[in-house]
Amino acid sequence: NAGVTQTPKFRVLKTGQSMTLLCAQDMNHEYMYWYRQDPGMGLRLIHYSVGEGTTAKGEVPDGYNVSRLKKQNFLLGLESAAPSQTSVYFCASSYRGTGNTGELFFGEGSRLTVL
Amino acid sequence: DAKTTQPPSMDCAEGRAANLPCNHSTISGNEYVYWYRQIHSQGPQYIIHGLKNNETNEMASLIITEDRKSSTLILPHATLRDTAVYYCIVRVAIYYGGATNKLIFGTGTLLAVQP
Repeated sequence: NAGVTQTPKFRVLKTGQSMTLLCAQDMNHEYMYWYRQDPGMGLRLIHYSVGEGTTAKGEVPDGYNVSRLKKQNFLLGLESAAPSQTSVYFCASSYRGTGNTGELFFGEGSRLTVL
Repeated sequence: DAKTTQPPSMDCAEGRAANLPCNHSTISGNEYVYWYRQIHSQGPQYIIHGLKNNETNEMASLIITEDRKSSTLILPHATLRDTAVYYCIVRVAIYYGGATNKLIFGTGTLLAVQP
């Protein structure tokens, strides 16, 4: 099992460009999340999904859109990138069901720089 | 979800026990205590969680005070590879319909294991 895979791992954008980060998980998890991490800020939740076809806002959703068309994939989109979106982005997934530990499984991160 | 307070940094000698404290004075009766760690630039990794009883697994022990207002994560024999940021998080149980299993991360404790 690959677990949680994020692509791309690195990307440089110019202000105003758009891009999509892809998160894929092979653990059949219902829940998926996108976090961003900035120096000294810890991880902040951007958007999350509790199942295929559903999305919801987290702590810092502005400037981002997400889609969950397939259970195994969770896409994070930046329609018009801004320098403030320079960050490391982490995707995570978790199982939903009785008896689960609530453990989140994280990807290795995607480093995005907006010039 | 209740907020947590952790010291920003701690040192520990290699081979000694590392005791990482966390205060969560506003914790509710149905909120669990979770610990994650993040080794430099990697995705966070689940360590352990508990409700009110002390817990132990192959990685660490979790001691929760009787009033549940604080807890301590214990790494019994710290190694250089345990150098990481450790996050203490409290959140509601995830067994109920509508619960999202999302975790809100703070800034954590940077544990530096010294040779």
